[in-house]
Amino acid sequence: DGGITQSPKYLFRKEGQNVTLSCEQNLNHDAMYWYRQDPGQGLRLIYYSQIVNDFQKGDIAEGYSVSREKKESFPLTVTSAQKNPTAFYLCASSIWSGGYNEQFFGPGTRLTVL
Amino acid sequence: KQEVTQIPAALSVPEGENLVLNCSFTDSAIYNLQWFRQDPGKGLTSLLLIQSSQREQTSGRLNASLDKSSGRSTLYIAASQPGDSATYLCAVRKATNAGKSTFGDGTTLTVKP
Repeated sequence: DGGITQSPKYLFRKEGQNVTLSCEQNLNHDAMYWYRQDPGQGLRLIYYSQIVNDFQKGDIAEGYSVSREKKESFPLTVTSAQKNPTAFYLCASSIWSGGYNEQFFGPGTRLTVL
Repeated sequence: KQEVTQIPAALSVPEGENLVLNCSFTDSAIYNLQWFRQDPGKGLTSLLLIQSSQREQTSGRLNASLDKSSGRSTLYIAASQPGDSATYLCAVRKATNAGKSTFGDGTTLTVKP
């Protein structure tokens, strides 16, 4: 089955801790994205990556970090510098063939700060 | 800065009714517009993608239209069913801002049996 997997489904973080959210895709997509969703709101872009070893900040990158060492993987670290990290985090991917194509999403990770 | 608005925020209809969901955007220089469905606590499921050169796309009971000049898109759902109950979001990808999509806050649809 082709698709995007995210783990864990639920994550609890204590104040001052860094946590890493996993995102893996087997769709052979070039581009990957991280979004944050707060209750009753749309999605806001945190980071995106068009190719391996390259990534760009989105609209709300402060307090987050990413890496793209493999085409299939785009982990997101929520650092202690992120003041309000409780949210639903969604990873997405798309083809990057000189254009901007359909985005596909993973099932999400719900992060709660204790 | 692109702003995307979806009105109404919530909609309740009886089963079998045809309905239209609206998506408005402020900057007409877009590359494409995508409609998604989101069930509670789940990820987004892609419904339809309309490129800026297209006027509409159809999939089954769904039809999405795009009018760039007026900054509007509509999602038409025919013969609604209780299984259509979900939140519907639209996302606009800007032509000159590689990789970035702007999402609306969504319309939560309830279809009553």
